[in-house]
Amino acid sequence: EVQLVESGGGLVQPGRSLRLSCTASGFSLGDYAMSWVRQAPGKGLEWVGFIRNKPYGGTAEYAASVKGRFTISRDDSKGIAYLQMNSLKTEDTAVYYCGRRQFFTTDYWGQGTLVTVSS
Amino acid sequence: QSALTQPPSASGSPGQSVTISCTGTSSDVGGYKYVSWYQQHPGKAPKLMIYEVTKRPSGVPDRFSGSKSGNTASLTVSGLQAEDEADYYCSSYAGSNPYVFGTGTRVTVL
Repeated sequence: EVQLVESGGGLVQPGRSLRLSCTASGFSLGDYAMSWVRQAPGKGLEWVGFIRNKPYGGTAEYAASVKGRFTISRDDSKGIAYLQMNSLKTEDTAVYYCGRRQFFTTDYWGQGTLVTVSS
Repeated sequence: QSALTQPPSASGSPGQSVTISCTGTSSDVGGYKYVSWYQQHPGKAPKLMIYEVTKRPSGVPDRFSGSKSGNTASLTVSGLQAEDEADYYCSSYAGSNPYVFGTGTRVTVL
């Protein structure tokens, strides 16, 4: 059974950093691209970025709203994808979901982890 | 990259059909065959319902169907059931700015 579990969320002050983890099980992480999507309280879904798997270069793409502040990485040997978030702003407050990508879509999603940016 | 436009709400009685539209541009919905639809119940993670405009993942009832014409994609839920009451989001590949979501539609089963 495919499972994705996010962790690392919490309360952080504006300007600080936080790293989220997405632990995969039930499939080989190295065979898939992985994405991050966020949802601010009471709002819709917003694509954050994704990272290709190694055969496709292992490179990442980001939404304009987070480019230069957020970095997605992966450790296929551990089955974990990461979202490093720097220079956090209050508008980054959201539930962050990781997802497995296949066929230009996200076919499995984690349960999400809440990040609250507030002083 | 602007969000794709969806109606805020849609509704139908049990057994009826409801169709949700998702309007973009030739740079996203109209330019690619990579439109997906997700269902999200309150407090839950999104669930993939349709990908590549018309395809259903294993386990998704055939009451859910997708289509596209020009810059507008649509999701139709036939034979509405109580458990279909949820928020629905479309998403499209958008080339250089890779992905964009729709604004979301709340479906109510009357």
